[in-house]
Amino acid sequence: AQRVTQPEKLLSVFKGAPVELKCNYSYSGSPELFWYVQYSRQRLQLLLRHISRESIKGFTADLNKGETSFHLKKPFAQEEDSAMYYCALAYNQGGKLIFGQGTELSVKP
Amino acid sequence: NAGVTQTPKFQVLKTGQSMTLQCAQDMNHEYMSWYRQDPGMGLRLIHYSVGAGITDQGEVPNGYNVSRSTTEDFPLRLLSAAPSQTSVYFCASSAAGGLGGELFFGEGSRLTVL
Repeated sequence: AQRVTQPEKLLSVFKGAPVELKCNYSYSGSPELFWYVQYSRQRLQLLLRHISRESIKGFTADLNKGETSFHLKKPFAQEEDSAMYYCALAYNQGGKLIFGQGTELSVKP
Repeated sequence: NAGVTQTPKFQVLKTGQSMTLQCAQDMNHEYMSWYRQDPGMGLRLIHYSVGAGITDQGEVPNGYNVSRSTTEDFPLRLLSAAPSQTSVYFCASSAAGGLGGELFFGEGSRLTVL
């Protein structure tokens, strides 16, 4: 069965420190993975997707099929990065995503 | 461009009452879906639709009903509300074609069932 696991409920770092939000998935096919972000009082929105291989707001994520992981990384965290982050796996057409439990990132000054 | 619009934003129900959460999108997206968000459980898919007249169940469909009579609208009906349905509900839409197109979310509807 398809599954997405985010082992950390809360991640707290200081401004300027590196940050890594972990995501592991379980899927027998070829996965398509995403990171969504929800800032305070804003809508849930797409941050990045693995097929784009792009950096958004300084964040990157690499798909590691061997470890079935899609960790989100940023070398220097900023206070405005504080938000809830969700890893998601697409396994069917139609925007059908499985989401992880979410990790709340808190960046302290 | 409003995107995905959900109403109401807040609702309090008594156990056994029924209600409908409305969702409309103006992006001409074929795909629409409903998720519920609960602490520690992330977002779970309730129902989804790949086009007008076509709906299917997600992970947690029990107690909910949907229909898709137009491309724009995808209402979610609670048939007989239960306290376990206290949650934040999100409607989302995405364009047709390909696997896992970007989802566009509404602002959410916070439902409390007493």
